Amino acid sequence: DAGVIQSPRHEVTEMGQEVTLRCKPISGHDYLFWYRQTMMRGLELLIYFNNNVPIDDSGMPEDRFSAKMPNASFSTLKIQPSEPRDSAVYFCASSLGPVASTDTQYFGPGTRLTVL
Amino acid sequence: GDSVTQMEGPVTLSEEAFLTINCTYTATGYPSLFWYVQYPGEGLQLLLKATKADDKGSNKGFEATYRKETTSFHLEKGSVQVSDSAVYFCALRHSGSRLTFGEGTQLTVNP
Repeated sequence: DAGVIQSPRHEVTEMGQEVTLRCKPISGHDYLFWYRQTMMRGLELLIYFNNNVPIDDSGMPEDRFSAKMPNASFSTLKIQPSEPRDSAVYFCASSLGPVASTDTQYFGPGTRLTVL
Repeated sequence: GDSVTQMEGPVTLSEEAFLTINCTYTATGYPSLFWYVQYPGEGLQLLLKATKADDKGSNKGFEATYRKETTSFHLEKGSVQVSDSAVYFCALRHSGSRLTFGEGTQLTVNP
């Protein structure tokens, strides 16, 4: 398997623009996670899905952020409008399931977002 | 709520030195415990895991033992290499699928 795929790898945009980050999880994985990593706040869980349904979005910072998973092989994280404080590395991860034998999360390479 | 505390970094060692990175956790019951490693410019990779008390996870010369009595999961390696330079994250999964991560510890190994 190719692992978790994210695109783009780097994104530079101007404040106020819409940004869309994309993720393809590992085939057969039922759980998908979006994280944000910054120097100040470390690694934060934004939202996760089970079988394409959002389960916990308590980490989504504000209404400017939205995430969708229209099918089992694709998810998007959208920021509209973007702000400089959104600059971070955004990771997508997927796992098979929630129990000890299946709970390992596999991370994508990340998208480095810079908002000017 | 659940939490993970790692020793503060950065940690700088010479090649072949012994490594310990401390990790303690707060959670009820028996969470699964993980160490992830992040190499420069890459995503996190699972290094090792343990799912019950007294389990020892091991991989690539790294080891960590799940100690319920001290709520710890310290990472150790007997002889580090320059290629081990990375950021190491301790994490736990309690109920559900959510992982709780520590702050991360930057390790630099000098030749």
